[in-house]
Amino acid sequence: GNSVTQMEGPVTLSEEAFLTINCTYTATGYPSLFWYVQYPGEGLQLLLKATKADDKGSNKGFEATYRKETTSFHLEKGSVQVSDSAVYFCALEYNQGGKLIFGQGTELSVKP
Amino acid sequence: DAGVIQSPRHEVTEMGQEVTLRCKPISGHDYLFWYRQTMMRGLELLIYFNNNVPIDDSGMPEDRFSAKMPNASFSTLKIQPSEPRDSAVYFCASRPGGGLMNTEAFFGQGTRLTVV
Repeated sequence: GNSVTQMEGPVTLSEEAFLTINCTYTATGYPSLFWYVQYPGEGLQLLLKATKADDKGSNKGFEATYRKETTSFHLEKGSVQVSDSAVYFCALEYNQGGKLIFGQGTELSVKP
Repeated sequence: DAGVIQSPRHEVTEMGQEVTLRCKPISGHDYLFWYRQTMMRGLELLIYFNNNVPIDDSGMPEDRFSAKMPNASFSTLKIQPSEPRDSAVYFCASRPGGGLMNTEAFFGQGTRLTVV
């Protein structure tokens, strides 16, 4: 079936460190891929997305590239800030419409 | 638009009681989703609607759970009777129709349910 696997958290980094959160997926067909972010006490918000192989999604300094050959969509940021502390969810949407399948989430904590 | 609105934000109830969670989607959105978030199981899709019609309820854990969408601007998720293992944060989300791919889902702030 379709699924998403993320690296386990929590991830703790110092401010200005480089961030990578790994995400791999299993899907039939050609899914769209997403990263959502959840700040404390809030719902999820879309961070970035990519709809086909080799697409790069980017927003707020975060980037992720849709790699079909490795079925991956790793999230990266060159220099994290304290305000980036949140839970990050990788997700896919497959062709049958409507359903987003989420990974288990990775908690990021950035220390000053 | 005020976004997806959920109520209540917090609910504490005793085991065996009926609980009703409410959601107002963004106006004009055709799809509405109910998710449950727990530490153990992460974010699980319970059910979703398209134009007020339930499309997939395979994630509803058992018959104690039911969801309705009587009109385009309102949905409820009911648990009857509630049990301590139902304690979780329940999210409602909505998204536009007219081509499902590549459209963003908008989430409410969630209802934190505690069953004691």
